[in-house]
Amino acid sequence: GQQLNQSPQSMFIQEGEDVSMNCTSSSIFNTWLWYKQDPGEGPVLLIALYKAGELTSNGRLTAQFGITRKDSFLNISASIPSDVGIYFCAGLNYGGSQGNLIFGKGTKLSVKP
Amino acid sequence: SAVISQKPSRDICQRGTSLTIQCQVDSQVTMMFWYRQQPGQSLTLIATANQGSEATYESGFVIDKFPISRPNLTFSTLTVSNMSPEDSSIYLCSVKRGSEDTQYFGPGTRLTVL
Repeated sequence: GQQLNQSPQSMFIQEGEDVSMNCTSSSIFNTWLWYKQDPGEGPVLLIALYKAGELTSNGRLTAQFGITRKDSFLNISASIPSDVGIYFCAGLNYGGSQGNLIFGKGTKLSVKP
Repeated sequence: SAVISQKPSRDICQRGTSLTIQCQVDSQVTMMFWYRQQPGQSLTLIATANQGSEATYESGFVIDKFPISRPNLTFSTLTVSNMSPEDSSIYLCSVKRGSEDTQYFGPGTRLTVL
C-alpha cells in the first residue's frame, strides 16, 4: 500500500532555532496536509496544500507541496517552547477511499528554552 | 474548521466488554471518519461513517469488531466490541466539510483495556 516516509523521527532543538521536516512517498498525492498533535489531544490542522509547487505560510510555519507531487516539507522558524509536539504529514490520493488520508509516522519536536 | 467533541475522553475497560464512543459536530458535515492511533504510533483509518447506511471499512477492520452508526449529519458512534488489551489505543473521529479535502479531528478517546 501507499506509505509516507517522514523524517526526522525526532528533533531536539534550542529555542529560537529553525526546524525543517519532510515527507516523501513513491506515490503521487493530490493533497498534502500538516498536523500537530499535543499530548492527550487530537491532531490540529496547520497547513493544507492542494497544488504541486504550492508554498503556503501560517505564521512562523511554511510548507511546500513538492513539484513531483511525491513530497512535502514543513519549516518552523524561530522555534518557541509551545512548538513542542508531534508533527504529522498526511497525503490524500483521490484513487483511494475518499477519506483515506495516509499519515506519516510523525516527527517529535522537543524545544529547550 | 468545525468544533468536534468526543465522549468519553478516556476509559479503562475490562477484557471482553464493549465500549461505545460518541462523536458530535457543531454543524453539518459531509463525511465522518474513525481512526485508531496505537500508543506511540501514527493514525490509521478504521472506516468511513455513512449517513443512513453501513460504514465503509478499511482493510483489516470489520463491522463485527467495530460497529459504527451515523444517524444524522452531525453525530456518529464507534463501538469497540469484545475488547482485548490490543485494542488499547486512542480513537479519533474526523470530519470533512463540503468539497474540502481537509479533515478536522476530534480530541480523541483514550481507551485502556485491562
